[in-house]
Amino acid sequence: DTGVSQNPRHKITKRGQNVTFRCDPISEHNRLYWYRQTLGQGPEFLTYFQNEAQLEKSRLLSDRFSAERPKGSFSTLEIQRTEQGDSAMYLCASSYEGSASGNTIYFGEGSWLTVV
Amino acid sequence: AQKVTQAQTEISVVEKEDVTLDCVYETRDTTYYLFWYKQPPSGELVFLIRRNSFDEQNEISGRYSWNFQKSTSSFNFTITASQVVDSAVYFCALSEALSGGSYIPTFGRGTSLIVHP
Repeated sequence: DTGVSQNPRHKITKRGQNVTFRCDPISEHNRLYWYRQTLGQGPEFLTYFQNEAQLEKSRLLSDRFSAERPKGSFSTLEIQRTEQGDSAMYLCASSYEGSASGNTIYFGEGSWLTVV
Repeated sequence: AQKVTQAQTEISVVEKEDVTLDCVYETRDTTYYLFWYKQPPSGELVFLIRRNSFDEQNEISGRYSWNFQKSTSSFNFTITASQVVDSAVYFCALSEALSGGSYIPTFGRGTSLIVHP
């Protein structure tokens, strides 16, 4: 079991550019979550998938953000026309619905975004 | 209103001291889950424990122990004989059912624990 994998780990981009993050969940985990974390704050929920279906989206997920999980395995989070306020760590997590610990989510190491 | 309140922003102790991290939550649900995660400087959130709302039994795991009290809506975390490696930010989280029936954790702002040698 290799854990949740995210890349890139760090991204510096100019304001207005698009960025994409990738997340590979724990094998066979059918749920995948995206959170955002800024300095001094706890993680804030953005969206989650069960298999390939995006089931919940937070109000934090503006229309510049789009997430996909096309085959129910890895997921991508794209931010278009980045703004300085998008600078944060983007955390991916996964869980397996149907197990005794189905409500426990396991996080990756995060992808740091700096918009300059 | 905060669903999960971690009133202690930062705690500083000397190695071998015991330390308790407080967590107070707010929910109207009867079924919910509570979690603690550890975030070391590397950034990855490490799962420590999960409790469901029907199980108020306290738990001990090595130097870690958790005290769940529904009467006060608290889920406190104690580290006994703290060590420098315990230095991290600790997050408490509450998972309630959303309108679609999914349980999504909501996190507190975290408590930064600094253990000095």
